Amino acid sequence: DIQMTQSPASLSASLGETVTIECRASEDIYNGLAWYQQKPGKSPQLLIYNANSLHTGVPSRFSGSGSGTQYSLKINSLQSEDVASYFCQQYYDYPPYTFGAGTKLELK
Amino acid sequence: QVTLKESGPGILQPSQALSLTCTFSGFSLSTYGMRVSWIRQPSGKGLEWLATIDWDDDKYYNPSLKSRLTVSKDTSNNQAFLKITSMDSADTATYYCAWTDITIAAFAYWGQGTLVTVSS
Repeated sequence: DIQMTQSPASLSASLGETVTIECRASEDIYNGLAWYQQKPGKSPQLLIYNANSLHTGVPSRFSGSGSGTQYSLKINSLQSEDVASYFCQQYYDYPPYTFGAGTKLELK
Repeated sequence: QVTLKESGPGILQPSQALSLTCTFSGFSLSTYGMRVSWIRQPSGKGLEWLATIDWDDDKYYNPSLKSRLTVSKDTSNNQAFLKITSMDSADTATYYCAWTDITIAAFAYWGQGTLVTVSS
């Protein structure tokens, strides 16, 4: 199984700040990576797929980058509605699909 | 517009089997490239993929749970199903179904989730 290591586990940032969340795969996943946002009490929502493609309707302040085993999600100009948990997921090699443990983003 | 909604028993006793239904609209699970997956999340914890069923009836299971899982579909009624046998308190979680197509590959749309509690 491919292990996904996500960091940091939690993050506190100010409005307007730029935030970066990292995800490392245990082997090359050839950009088969997605990022999800999950607000409290809600289901996860797809933000980014194929490592850097923005899903329909997702604000352009979200971006994804990376290759090989290292990937990142960047949020520019943090808004209050971005307070959420964020998960990475690999879909290059399955079964099983595997997720990172998540990053909880809060406002400072 | 793709929408999905899970339904289940809410609560069941240890050792019982869980049956979940995912009712969807906006796509047909008989169309090339469509797939429905099941993912669960214990309260306050991370996401665990369980199973996926494809348009052509191919099925994929999480190896760690494979012996307990069965995924199926009813294309005429736009439904997918998941059965988990021998439920235990460790299986208490919110269960989601999600839609994928082969062009996106990620879980593009999710249902609202259904909470399943295993308790005697």
